[in-house]
Amino acid sequence: SQQGEEDPQALSIQEGENATMNCSYKTSINNLQWYRQNSGRGLVHLILIRSNEREKHSGRLRVTLDTSKKSSSLLITASRAADTASYFCATKTIGSSNTGKLIFGQGTTLQVKP
Amino acid sequence: KAGVTQTPRYLIKTRGQQVTLSCSPISGHRSVSWYQQTPGQGLQFLFEYFSETQRNKGNFPGRFSGRQFSNSRSEMNVSTLELGDSALYLCASSSGQGGDTQYFGPGTRLTVL
Repeated sequence: SQQGEEDPQALSIQEGENATMNCSYKTSINNLQWYRQNSGRGLVHLILIRSNEREKHSGRLRVTLDTSKKSSSLLITASRAADTASYFCATKTIGSSNTGKLIFGQGTTLQVKP
Repeated sequence: KAGVTQTPRYLIKTRGQQVTLSCSPISGHRSVSWYQQTPGQGLQFLFEYFSETQRNKGNFPGRFSGRQFSNSRSEMNVSTLELGDSALYLCASSSGQGGDTQYFGPGTRLTVL
């Protein structure tokens, strides 16, 4: 079963606008990772945030984590057409913290219009 | 470092056949995990191999199996293919240490006719 649920399922914005995607999960986690996927290709790792961290930045990406609400958000600032892709959150639960198992959300499809 | 590679990239098989997919992890990585991605079920964990041993297994039938070699390369096998096995199969490698980043390959697109 899926651990995470992502919201919204689809998002369409104009170039230059910010895009925010949310992820909720069910069980306690070791870390949460965000990935990007272009047109059914492989997943590209964007950022990893650990359970004891609240916020991380990487370039135009900002990720927050609220373990009390079991939720995370990914903010992409000043979006570009090249950001058009599907974005997935993936959690590594406490029980699987020493393994490679990730549990993925259903993803958010982002379209950035030029 | 070279990234994760998967071969073949595309496969077409018929029902009842079997298939073997290959994954070469990033050099130095000892953990390889396999995932199945379908439009209906999304990304689902199949199994993970670490140092040639299966360390974790998802909820898939026994038709799905895998192995890992001493050089950390991994193969997964699906026997008696069904139409529902059509999917993108992704492998991910990591160092195998707890809490580390998983790096994914480009995937193998399997179509079962």
